[in-house]
Amino acid sequence: GEDVEQSLFLSVREGDSSVINCTYTDSSSTYLYWYKQEPGAGLQLLTYIFSNMDMKQDQRLTVLLNKKDKHLSLRIADTQTGDSAIYFCAETAGRRALTFGSGTRLQVQP
Amino acid sequence: SAVISQKPSRDICQRGTSLTIQCQVDSQVTMMFWYRQQPGQSLTLIATANQGSEATYESGFVIDKFPISRPNLTFSTLTVSNMSPEDSSIYLCSGRTDMNTEAFFGQGTRLTVV
Repeated sequence: GEDVEQSLFLSVREGDSSVINCTYTDSSSTYLYWYKQEPGAGLQLLTYIFSNMDMKQDQRLTVLLNKKDKHLSLRIADTQTGDSAIYFCAETAGRRALTFGSGTRLQVQP
Repeated sequence: SAVISQKPSRDICQRGTSLTIQCQVDSQVTMMFWYRQQPGQSLTLIATANQGSEATYESGFVIDKFPISRPNLTFSTLTVSNMSPEDSSIYLCSGRTDMNTEAFFGQGTRLTVV
């Protein structure tokens, strides 16, 4: 079945760039997502990328997709303390539900 | 983009009782799904809610414990039956309008069973 893997924890200093990585197993994945979840809150869709793209930029966020290696990354430029949260990578194909990674907890040190 | 309203946002329930969670979408969506997020964990798919027919459940989830309804393309309910403390989780509904589109999520229902 589909599997999505993420590292569990990342710590950066305020103002630095953060890079959160994700790998997935399903070569038929067509949509890949990044969600943010703050403590006690729901899921916030940050950005998504279609599988025929290799990069997408949206303000401070840059998504890179290496389809050959099934590797997705999220770069947050100029990381702020408000970016501290859990970040989930997810993928889907066709009509099936999203498969989520375990989540990466980003801690931003002032 | 679609907006999903989910209620209740949180509840504290006695063991042995049942709770029904509702999701209302502000536009028609082709696909709706229900997820569970246990404390400190990722999201696990419970089932796909099928309009006008029985839901499709994932391994480890059964209809008797998690009955789901989806009477139309904008509304679905999930019932957590005969609750135990192990059912304490966040439950989220999700919708997609078609195959190659964004997935939208409700704000979640934080359930505590005592």
